[in-house]
Amino acid sequence: GAGVSQTPSNKVTEKGKYVELRCDPISGHTALYWYRQSLGQGPEFLIYFQGTGAADDSGLPNDRFFAVRPEGSVSTLKIQRTERGDSAVYLCASSLGGGVTEAFFGQGTRLTVV
Amino acid sequence: AQTVTQSQPEMSVQEAETVTLSCTYDTSESNYYLFWYKQPPSRQMILVIRQEAYKQQNATENRFSVNFQKAAKSFSLKISDSQLGDTAMYFCAFRPTRIQGAQKLVFGQGTRLTINP
Repeated sequence: GAGVSQTPSNKVTEKGKYVELRCDPISGHTALYWYRQSLGQGPEFLIYFQGTGAADDSGLPNDRFFAVRPEGSVSTLKIQRTERGDSAVYLCASSLGGGVTEAFFGQGTRLTVV
Repeated sequence: AQTVTQSQPEMSVQEAETVTLSCTYDTSESNYYLFWYKQPPSRQMILVIRQEAYKQQNATENRFSVNFQKAAKSFSLKISDSQLGDTAMYFCAFRPTRIQGAQKLVFGQGTRLTINP
């Protein structure tokens, strides 16, 4: 596609539920990143994929968070047993490679846990 | 660990004026990249300008320029002839160039810039 696409744009879920957030990167981009942006803060790194593998998942806050990219394209961020503190905008970005090539961001998914 | 600090939560100027946004950072790395991103209400982060630490010349992109002071670990963004469309959140970000951790962008807290007509 023309840009990074994230779905859904907004998601409201009840505390304790499971959610999946989807990221469709720019075609041909091998690197994919997830960030979390809490209200009034800058984005914080969660995980980085190079191809199908998670090259760096040091930003995942705990084992309720998991992400996959099985075919090296679309990625899904999965959150189990959601908590109110998980409410944030989840941003996805992709780039041509893992070097310092420009990362292009999607418009994010705003997750609200009630 | 690297940190990025933006000390101005909000700024407001009149259209056509020049405005400077401040950013300081802390790192023990010698080689790295610095970025300014713009985030309008659409939430999409848009790259405004990039500076490579080993380059002494300050980066410029049309109305946007930076003042990079490596010794002081300062990286400010100057917007000249500001336009209404410049209204947005602006984030300063740091990225090391070494392999370990080279893929993470570390962002500051952001500055909300409003351009008034």
